[in-house]
Amino acid sequence: GIQVEQSPPDLILQEGANSTLRCNFSDSVNNLQWFHQNPWGQLINLFYIPSGTKQNGRLSATTVATERYSLLYISSSQTTDSGVYFCAVREAISNFGNEKLTFGTGTRLTIIP
Amino acid sequence: DAGVIQSPRHEVTEMGQEVTLRCKPISGHDYLFWYRQTMMRGLELLIYFNNNVPIDDSGMPEDRFSAKMPNASFSTLKIQPSEPRDSAVYFCASNPSRSGRAEQFFGPGTRLTVL
Repeated sequence: GIQVEQSPPDLILQEGANSTLRCNFSDSVNNLQWFHQNPWGQLINLFYIPSGTKQNGRLSATTVATERYSLLYISSSQTTDSGVYFCAVREAISNFGNEKLTFGTGTRLTIIP
Repeated sequence: DAGVIQSPRHEVTEMGQEVTLRCKPISGHDYLFWYRQTMMRGLELLIYFNNNVPIDDSGMPEDRFSAKMPNASFSTLKIQPSEPRDSAVYFCASNPSRSGRAEQFFGPGTRLTVL
């Protein structure tokens, strides 16, 4: 099956700093999503981005499908940005029956006041 | 829309007891998924349904686990008998048909503790 690797595994930053999180995947995908798991355990949808670039406030994401990676940018970080960021992909194979998302192991982000 | 709804949010039970987790997907979504999250294995798919029919249950750990979807707005995940190693957070998720924007949305999860 498809492999999803995220880096770095842990990141500790001062409030106000910028960060870049990376997601590499081993095969073609037709869906890529970024999630934020907050300290209460909820999985919050950040971006649905199988290709291209999107921005939402201080967050933006870019997926280069041909090179099999995606980047999540967080600017002017705040303490509420702390948590684990997951990348998840759906493999682009043609046969019916592969709708699942495969998750990376996540990047744990800690923002210090 | 209320989003994906799961109940209970927390469940504490003793080894050997039956546990039933419940999920209501987002209205209009054709696909429903059950995932489990543990420290050791991360987020992993257990089973998913399309139009109430189980499509892939290869992630179900063993025969103690079963899942049903009797209609488009309700699904259950049952563990019988439960064991301490089943302790985890169980998430339900749903997305619309792949032909469109198939963004997957997750419920708040059920935190299961088996003593």
